[in-house]
Amino acid sequence: GAVVSQHPSRVICKSGTSVKIECRSLDFQATTMFWYRQFPKQSLMLMATSNEGSKATYEQGVEKDKFLINHASLTLSTLTVTSAHPEDSSFYICSALGTPHTDTQYFGPGTRLTVL
Amino acid sequence: AQSVTQLDSQVPVFEEAPVELRCNYSSSVSVYLFWYVQYPNQGLQLLLKYLSGSTLVKGINGFEAEFNKSQTSFHLRKPSVHISDTAEYFCAVSVGAAGNKLTFGGGTRVLVKP
Repeated sequence: GAVVSQHPSRVICKSGTSVKIECRSLDFQATTMFWYRQFPKQSLMLMATSNEGSKATYEQGVEKDKFLINHASLTLSTLTVTSAHPEDSSFYICSALGTPHTDTQYFGPGTRLTVL
Repeated sequence: AQSVTQLDSQVPVFEEAPVELRCNYSSSVSVYLFWYVQYPNQGLQLLLKYLSGSTLVKGINGFEAEFNKSQTSFHLRKPSVHISDTAEYFCAVSVGAAGNKLTFGGGTRVLVKP
C-alpha cells in the first residue's frame, strides 16, 4: 500500500500560461498532502500543506496566488502554476499522509515543469 | 525551528563495501526521523523511520539507522552496497508529531563504483 501518483510526469509550457499538476493517493485516504519544489542537485523545499476540504497553508515566501492548491477530495490534490515563467521551471513533488498512514509521508514520482 | 544537516554531500564507495551516511538534527522538542532515497528523476522512497522505541531501526534494502538522542544524530548504514544503491539519500525530521511537515537535509549523493 501507500502509492502516490502524479500527472503529468513532464510538462513543457510557454511563458504566461498556467499548468495544473495532479497528485493522487491510489490506495489510501490522504487527509493531508504536501507540495515540494526541488531544484537540480538540491534538497526539497516545502511549498504548502493542504488538508482535505480546507485552504492550503503556504510556507513563507511562497506566493499563494501563483501556486494555487486545491484538495477537494481524500484522494486528489492539484497544484496550478499560474502565469508560469522560466524561473518556475523545477521538479515538483507531492506527498500524502492519511488513513492508515498517519505518521509517514509517501511521495509521488514528481513532475518536471519546463517553462519556455 | 528545527534543522537537519547531512555532513557529506557526496560519498563514493566501492561495490560490496560498507557505507555510512551522517545526519544530525537540531530541535528543542521531540523528533521523528526519516531516511528517504531518491533515484534520478523520481520521487522519494521511504527507507526507514524512527518514531519511538528501539533506537536501532532496520529498513528496506539492507539499510539500518541508529537514533542517538545525546548526539542528536540519525546515521544511516549499509554493510555491503550494490551498484543499484547509487542514488541521493535524504534525512528528514518532523517535530511534535510524526505526521507534521518534514524538514529535509541537503542530501547525500552515493556513487557506488564497481
